[in-house]
Amino acid sequence: NAGVMQNPRHLVRRRGQEARLRCSPMKGHSHVYWYRQLPEEGLKFMVYLQKENIIDESGMPKERFSAEFPKEGPSILRIQQVVRGDSAAYFCASSPLGRAEAFFGQGTRLTVV
Amino acid sequence: QKEVEQNSGPLSVPEGAIASLNCTYSDRGSQSFFWYRQYSGKSPELIMSIYSNGDKEDGRFTAQLNKASQYVSLLIRDSQPSDSATYLCAVNFGNEKLTFGTGTRLTIIP
Repeated sequence: NAGVMQNPRHLVRRRGQEARLRCSPMKGHSHVYWYRQLPEEGLKFMVYLQKENIIDESGMPKERFSAEFPKEGPSILRIQQVVRGDSAAYFCASSPLGRAEAFFGQGTRLTVV
Repeated sequence: QKEVEQNSGPLSVPEGAIASLNCTYSDRGSQSFFWYRQYSGKSPELIMSIYSNGDKEDGRFTAQLNKASQYVSLLIRDSQPSDSATYLCAVNFGNEKLTFGTGTRLTIIP
């Protein structure tokens, strides 16, 4: 049973480009969460999704950031017009329906140059 | 504002001793609590979950929960150098997402 799969593991973007981060949850898990971790800081919640629905996006910046979890395929976190401050590790986690514990993927390290 | 507080450390413990990590949270109605371990440059790994008052043991790890005091702790017995990591406390405040503390950096001294 594969774990949470994230790709790419490392992503370098120039300022103003778009970044697309992908996450496939564990088999049987219906909930996906995205977290951001800045260097030497804690995990900050961004968004919680179920298939075709955004349940809670209270942690998402109001501009340039969006997320989706389509009926088919992985969840996507999209950052438009990236800036240096977007450089961070972005972690995806998934959990099964009715359970609170979340299991994390390996993360995507985004570097904006 | 629902918050999870941890002492950032660093906490240094001699090899073989007991490491004690503490966490407090802001909402008395919270139901589920988790400890994650994160090695430098790696992703968080779930090591313990606890849902009711009291102690829960799993190998060298013991989680302790006191809902009245809004306090959860993690004890690591017979500490090993491989336990050196940042330990993250996470709380589900009933809103279907985990809120994390900033983590405690633990160093086990050989």
